[in-house]
Amino acid sequence: QVHLVQSGAEVKKPGASVKVSCKASGYTFIYSAMHWVRQAPGQSLEWMGWINAGNGNTRYSETLQGRVTITRDTSANTIYMELSSLTSEDTAVYYCARDMPNNRKSFDYWGQGTLVTVSS
Amino acid sequence: QSALTQPASVSGSPGQSITISCTGSSSDVGGYNYVSWYQQYPGKVPKLLIYEDNQRHSGVSNRFSGTKSGNTASLTISGLQAEDEADYYCCSYTSTSSRVFGGGTKLTVL
Repeated sequence: QVHLVQSGAEVKKPGASVKVSCKASGYTFIYSAMHWVRQAPGQSLEWMGWINAGNGNTRYSETLQGRVTITRDTSANTIYMELSSLTSEDTAVYYCARDMPNNRKSFDYWGQGTLVTVSS
Repeated sequence: QSALTQPASVSGSPGQSITISCTGSSSDVGGYNYVSWYQQYPGKVPKLLIYEDNQRHSGVSNRFSGTKSGNTASLTISGLQAEDEADYYCCSYTSTSSRVFGGGTKLTVL
């Protein structure tokens, strides 16, 4: 059974950085890519970027390029998303989502979400 | 990458069918067979319904179906039930190996 377990809620001040983790289990970690998706309060889903868990290659949203970094630790089956230079507009629930196997380019399993609040 | 265009809201009565559209461009929706659809209840995690334009995910009711014509994909829910009241999002693979979501559609079951 696939499980994606994310780290807990965070409160950050404007200008700070946040790092959210996503621990995967129930499948071979390096065989699937992982994405990060966020959702601001009352807003739609926004794709942030993804990482190939096998080789570490990444691709980021153009709007977040330069502020977001996605990494992985294969020994811990964990993916990390770090977002820097936070503003109030980064207040959102952040989700990790697994790329469906066999190149289906869909998100078949999601983490429970991590609320990041940016406030002075 | 601009968000895909979805109607903000749709509604229908129990037993009816509704369709939610998702319009993009030849760089995303129209260029690949990789549109997926997600259902999200308030405060809950999104759930995959449809992948590769029209493939129903495991365990998803056959009342949900996906189609595509040109740059517009559609999700149809037949035999509408009260439990279908939720937000629905489309998502597409893009020419830059990225993903783009639609703005979301709130479905109200009257």
